[in-house]
Amino acid sequence: AQTVTQSQPEMSVQEAETVTLSCTYDTSESDYYLFWYKQPPSRQMILVIRQEAYKQQNATENRFSVNFQKAAKSFSLKISDSQLGDAAMYFCAYRSSPSEGTYKYIFGTGTRLKVLA
Amino acid sequence: GAGVSQSPRYKVAKRGQDVALRCDPISGHVSLFWYQQALGQGPEFLTYFQNEAQLDKSGLPSDRFFAERPEGSVSTLKIQRTQQEDSAVYLCASSSGPGHGRNTIYFGEGSWLTVV
Repeated sequence: AQTVTQSQPEMSVQEAETVTLSCTYDTSESDYYLFWYKQPPSRQMILVIRQEAYKQQNATENRFSVNFQKAAKSFSLKISDSQLGDAAMYFCAYRSSPSEGTYKYIFGTGTRLKVLA
Repeated sequence: GAGVSQSPRYKVAKRGQDVALRCDPISGHVSLFWYQQALGQGPEFLTYFQNEAQLDKSGLPSDRFFAERPEGSVSTLKIQRTQQEDSAVYLCASSSGPGHGRNTIYFGEGSWLTVV
């Protein structure tokens, strides 16, 4: 079974600085997808960025980028130029490829990000 | 609708009471998911529908939990004889395509259930 581990329950960053959130996962599959979701107090999960395991190039979305290390099974999220609106819970998630016939996301336990003004 | 809508947003139930949680997915979305999120945890998968077919219910924790989507649109998650460990946020999500792989799924704001 696949697992996702986020070892940082809470992180703080100064506004305009850069912060990196860690995520490791365990799987025996070779093809899969990884995601970072943001969850503000409203509880609505919002997709931040996604990475296909077969792609070597790290995904980027504006101020958000990932460091995907497939061999190490590591998938960290870097937030540059942090803004007050980035404060939220961040969840790392794993999803198998369609060929595995499963539909579920497997989420980590989350990292609470605080942005200091 | 513009987004995934869930109701009620907040529900307090007495232990032993039955509850029903409703999800209105984004119009036209064929895939619908239910997740359970306990306090301080990440969401955990409960069940998945493709149109009206429940293709995966492996995450339902007990036979007290039942989900349906009879017309392939609105879905209801029913919890019978609620217990305190059922207290959680229940998140619904939908997707325009098949519910696997890289397809983006869109979450609602959840239904907060507290069992007292």
